[in-house]
Amino acid sequence: DIQMTQSPSSVSASVGDRVTITCRASQGISSWLAWYQQKPGKAPKPLIYRASFLHSGVPSRFSGSGSGTDFTLTISSLQPEDFATYYCQQGNSFPYTFGQGTKLEIK
Amino acid sequence: QVTLRESGPALVKPTQTLTLTCTFSGFSLTTSDLCVSWIRQPPGKALEWLARIDWDDDKYYSTSLKTRLTISKDTSKNQVVLTMTNMDPADTATYYCARTLAGTTLCDYWGQGTLVTVSS
Repeated sequence: DIQMTQSPSSVSASVGDRVTITCRASQGISSWLAWYQQKPGKAPKPLIYRASFLHSGVPSRFSGSGSGTDFTLTISSLQPEDFATYYCQQGNSFPYTFGQGTKLEIK
Repeated sequence: QVTLRESGPALVKPTQTLTLTCTFSGFSLTTSDLCVSWIRQPPGKALEWLARIDWDDDKYYSTSLKTRLTISKDTSKNQVVLTMTNMDPADTATYYCARTLAGTTLCDYWGQGTLVTVSS
């Protein structure tokens, strides 16, 4: 199975800050990477697919990049509603696997 | 619009078999490229991918759980069923179903999830 490792596990930031979250795959996954946002008690919401494509309705302050084994999710200017946990997920090969999550907290 | 809803028992005993049903609307699993996945999340922990069934009836499973999982679909009822045998307290989790696009592998619509507790 492909292992997905996110860093950091948690990060504190302020409204207006630029934040970057990293996801590393244990082997190359081309661009088959998605990012999800999850708030407490809620189902995850899709943000990014194929590493860099913004899902419909997602604000443009979210962006994704990377290919192969190293990927990033960037939020250009944090808004209050962005404080949540973020997960990456590889779709290159079965079984699909998720990262362990990155919790974005208010500083 | 696309909606999915998970249903099943909230409490199961160890060694029992869990059967979860995902009832969806707004799409058909006879449409090319469409799939339904199951994902779970133990309390306070990360998401774990479990299984996927495709429009053409291809099926895929978690490596660690594949001997215990079965996924099936009933296209006439717009339902996907996941069964998990030999339930253990470690299987306590919220179970989600999600529509998945094969072409992007993105889970673009999710159900609200159903909490399953395994306890005697």
